[in-house]
Amino acid sequence: GAGVSQSPSNKVTEKGKDVELRCDPISGHTALYWYRQSLGQGLEFLIYFQGNSAPDKSGLPSDRFSAERTGGSVSTLTIQRTQQEDSAVYLCASSEDRVETYEQYFGPGTRLTVT
Amino acid sequence: AQSVAQPEDQVNVAEGNPLTVKCTYSVSGNPYLFWYVQYPNRGLQFLLKYITGDNLVKGSYGFEAEFNKSQTSFHLKKPSALVSDSALYFCAVRDRAGANNLFFGTGTRLTVIP
Repeated sequence: GAGVSQSPSNKVTEKGKDVELRCDPISGHTALYWYRQSLGQGLEFLIYFQGNSAPDKSGLPSDRFSAERTGGSVSTLTIQRTQQEDSAVYLCASSEDRVETYEQYFGPGTRLTVT
Repeated sequence: AQSVAQPEDQVNVAEGNPLTVKCTYSVSGNPYLFWYVQYPNRGLQFLLKYITGDNLVKGSYGFEAEFNKSQTSFHLKKPSALVSDSALYFCAVRDRAGANNLFFGTGTRLTVIP
């Protein structure tokens, strides 16, 4: 079946512009995660959605970052007034939220470059 | 607080030799542990997980990992390395009683030399 998809695959933007990154999770997965992978760094958790519950936003680095998940499926990560330090690969993952099938399935990522 | 340490940024091994990629973790409760692999220009692929039960976990592509509670380790192993195993490997942990997101190590780049 289809995996997690993300768009665009690459995005180059000028400092100060807003960007939107999209994630389509695996159908039926109730949990959706956004992570950021910077060069030489591990994955940094950003935000987590689970069903209709309020999202866990504890990983968002600043109020310029926001995300929403419409209809319990597609999610959009928005970065306002982008800065050069926002340049990274943004990864989306989804999972079933059951212990025995907990592994997260990752999309290919969106490479964001802020010039 | 949860954290994962991968003490080696780079591991080189000859093809056919056994390989080990090290991981230690810190959680306040009991852990769920995972290994993921990332090939160039690809997303992360799940390799294996420890949830409960046997400490030795077998996963994809012949990889296995051993959960050692006393040493808080979850090292990834393979008896005979292939050139195609060359990739970036990430260890991750989730606290059973904590947040739902995974905490990742900084990754270990494995290079298998022909």
